[in-house]
Amino acid sequence: GAGVSQSPSNKVTEKGKDVELRCDPISGHTALYWYRQSLGQGLEFLIYFQGNSAPDKSGLPSDRFSAERTGGSVSTLTIQRTQQEDSAVYLCASSPLTGYNGYTFGSGTRLTVV
Amino acid sequence: AQSVSQHNHHVILSEAASLELGCNYSYGGTVNLFWYVQYPGQHLQLLLKYFSGDPLVKGIKGFEAEFIKSKFSFNLRKPSVQWSDTAEYFCAVYSGAGSYQLTFGKGTKLSVIP
Repeated sequence: GAGVSQSPSNKVTEKGKDVELRCDPISGHTALYWYRQSLGQGLEFLIYFQGNSAPDKSGLPSDRFSAERTGGSVSTLTIQRTQQEDSAVYLCASSPLTGYNGYTFGSGTRLTVV
Repeated sequence: AQSVSQHNHHVILSEAASLELGCNYSYGGTVNLFWYVQYPGQHLQLLLKYFSGDPLVKGIKGFEAEFIKSKFSFNLRKPSVQWSDTAEYFCAVYSGAGSYQLTFGKGTKLSVIP
């Protein structure tokens, strides 16, 4: 597609429920990144996919968080047993290969856990 | 690991005032440098970038940034801000050393008072 597409744009969920957030990167971009943006916390790196290589999961905050990327394109970030501290904007970005030339970001998913 | 520091968390200016937002990074080798902007309710978008050559780079909307290698700095400037510049600004660095990702600063929120 023309840009990075994320869905849903907003998600309200009850504490303890699981949620899935979707990212559709720019066609042909082999690198895909997930970040979390919380008020006053800047951009927190979560996970990085590069082609068919094993993802860099070093930023995932707990084992309740997981992500997959199917067919080297669409990615899903799953948060199990959501907690109130998971409330944030989850951003997806993609780039042609590496971060060398910068990223293109999606509009994000605002997750609110009540 | 490399790091990026943005010294100002929140800057408040009147319209027509001059702007300078500080950004310092820790990596001593070759870097690519970026400034991203996030307008209220919008996604992160690239403002300007530096790869090599003239250390003074110009971006969109009258913004510019100067790379000073000896100071490990890439400060963002604008001679005269407008109310529409109200946004959050993020500095980012790519070094390609040990990581193929961008490292982001925590962001600076700019509020311009009409």
